[in-house]
Amino acid sequence: AQSVSQHNHHVILSEAASLELGCNYSYGGTVNLFWYVQYPGQHLQLLLKYFSGDPLVKGIKGFEAEFIKSKFSFNLRKPSVQWSDTAEYFCAVMRGNTGKLIFGQGTTLQVKP
Amino acid sequence: GAVVSQHPSRVICKSGTSVKIECRSLDFQATTMFWYRQFPKQSLMLMATSNEGSKATYEQGVEKDKFLINHASLTLSTLTVTSAHPEDSSFYICSAPPGLVQETQYFGPGTRLLVL
Repeated sequence: AQSVSQHNHHVILSEAASLELGCNYSYGGTVNLFWYVQYPGQHLQLLLKYFSGDPLVKGIKGFEAEFIKSKFSFNLRKPSVQWSDTAEYFCAVMRGNTGKLIFGQGTTLQVKP
Repeated sequence: GAVVSQHPSRVICKSGTSVKIECRSLDFQATTMFWYRQFPKQSLMLMATSNEGSKATYEQGVEKDKFLINHASLTLSTLTVTSAHPEDSSFYICSAPPGLVQETQYFGPGTRLLVL
């Protein structure tokens, strides 16, 4: 069965620290990859997405992610986090062009001011 | 940006009753919508795909008769939890793509269901 694994469940960082959240998926076919963020009390918002082309994609708020096909990975990065980045982060994989998203377990990021 | 709303935002009901949750795309039409379920501190799990004008398709393990989905119009999908039981208590979230299903989806704010 297809699955998405996020390695970090809870990450605590100080402001200005660098962030990398791991995401691996198991699916042999064509995939579209996403990172979503859920701020406290708010709905899911798209951070960035990868469909094809340059494997290094840039999203909103200074986030970027790199798709490494050989490693089935799509890690999220940010060079310098801010307190406002405190949120839940979800990696998701779309099976082909079905529109159906398979989500990872989520990572809670807590940024200390 | 595109907006998806859900109603109600939270509902408490007695065991055995049915609860209807609405998902609306406010500024775009969506022939397809998706329903997810999120348990506390866990990820979202896809329950079903709602298709305007045709039957919903359900993921493996999701009871069709328990979770009734109706895509009444291009801007409205409803999820009815029939004969709800405490184990149905969860956070239900819908999403809708404004264009092709493989493109960006917009998520609703979710509905918290508590079955007593």
